[in-house]
Amino acid sequence: AQKVTQAQTEISVVEKEDVTLDCVYETRDTTYYLFWYKQPPSGELVFLIRRNSFDEQNEISGRYSWNFQKSTSSFNFTITASQVVDSAVYFCALSEADRGSTLGRLYFGRGTQLTVWP
Amino acid sequence: DTAVSQTPKYLVTQMGNDKSIKCEQNLGHDTMYWYKQDSKKFLKIMFSYNNKELIINETVPNRFSPKSPDKAHLNLHINSLELGDSAVYFCASSPGLRSSYNEQFFGPGTRLTVL
Repeated sequence: AQKVTQAQTEISVVEKEDVTLDCVYETRDTTYYLFWYKQPPSGELVFLIRRNSFDEQNEISGRYSWNFQKSTSSFNFTITASQVVDSAVYFCALSEADRGSTLGRLYFGRGTQLTVWP
Repeated sequence: DTAVSQTPKYLVTQMGNDKSIKCEQNLGHDTMYWYKQDSKKFLKIMFSYNNKELIINETVPNRFSPKSPDKAHLNLHINSLELGDSAVYFCASSPGLRSSYNEQFFGPGTRLTVL
């Protein structure tokens, strides 16, 4: 079973629209970490954010914000006032950290291709 | 300064050949990884090393052999290349397995094409 599900394969928006990328995860560990990575057309993977399972505070960084909800096992990512440069594939990932888990293993979702049109 | 570097960036080769991809990180991290990204963009871990010790060895054909001469380097050698090995291979590093800041930083990727 997929540990990280990104149900949206592709999203298209017009510049300045807000867009939310969904991420649902599955784990039995009590300690775990969640991540978002961006992969622009140039191909590199850029780290955006890390959240640990004990910190449910939402985070805002400029136009980016993240909503972590343990009750629904979701870690959604919102881009406000999207720009053409936001066009990329966005990956959500999970790392489990309980005793007995394989530390460092990142489980990636299949990614969401975001296209922002001018 | 490049944090995680990989060489080469592109690799085109014939089936049956042997090739290597090199990875180096200058972040002082203890842990390094190899990932494979297939044509559908799915990223899957292949190997991880912590202080030169193999930690993760996913179900990867024996033709793939990682080598870590020191904790700043993790190379990937592939024998008898097959068409299905065509993919983008990413190297990554993280501070350490038990670090609370265990985000992984990725290299630029190596696009391998097997003809």
